Amino acid sequence: DAKTTQPNSMESNEEEPVHLPCNHSTISGTDYIHWYRQLPSQGPEYVIHGLTSNVNNRMASLAIAEDRKSSTLILHRATLRDAAVYYCVGQTGANNLFFGTGTRLTVIP
Amino acid sequence: DAGVTQSPTHLIKTRGQQVTLRCSPISGHKSVSWYQQVLGQGPQFIFQYYEKEERGRGNFPDRFSARQFPNYSSELNVNALLLGDSALYLCASSLPTGSRNEKLFFGSGTQLSVL
Repeated sequence: DAKTTQPNSMESNEEEPVHLPCNHSTISGTDYIHWYRQLPSQGPEYVIHGLTSNVNNRMASLAIAEDRKSSTLILHRATLRDAAVYYCVGQTGANNLFFGTGTRLTVIP
Repeated sequence: DAGVTQSPTHLIKTRGQQVTLRCSPISGHKSVSWYQQVLGQGPQFIFQYYEKEERGRGNFPDRFSARQFPNYSSELNVNALLLGDSALYLCASSLPTGSRNEKLFFGSGTQLSVL
């Protein structure tokens, strides 16, 4: 089962770091943890993914708990353009992503 | 390079009708997946196609079908439309690499309204 649990909404001040949590206690040992975000009137956009160790890219960092039951997406400096719904995504197959309801991030100027 | 393109962008149908949605993947991508997104919810997986073969199917009724063409474009068909089929239908493409860490690239979707 690839179910993920996230808070419905979070707020952040502009240019401050944001930590978006996700619980995925039923994730299997071979499934990656993916994060996508969706801006209004657009399809989801890939953010980052990882398996066991922490990951960094130009958009964000992903911190994965040692037991892999939870992870945190870190936006180092939130901008107004980061306002979106962020999905922590599980897998039910090689390309079958399981999206939850996501966290709506509001960035306050 | 063009991203994933979907057509039409908006569509209005009535109950009982049939609809066909189209998707062109990113050049070089051979896998196409379809997702349904109901308002206020995350996308739900419908189908995945790779090399013209169905490689995965979500929990959707047989009214939903899809196919992939030799140029890797894809169509999603929905028969006997119900009001509950009103949603944003998203197409995503990927290379794929055969591993479980595929990065999907989504189109902007087709907004289907069933009246």
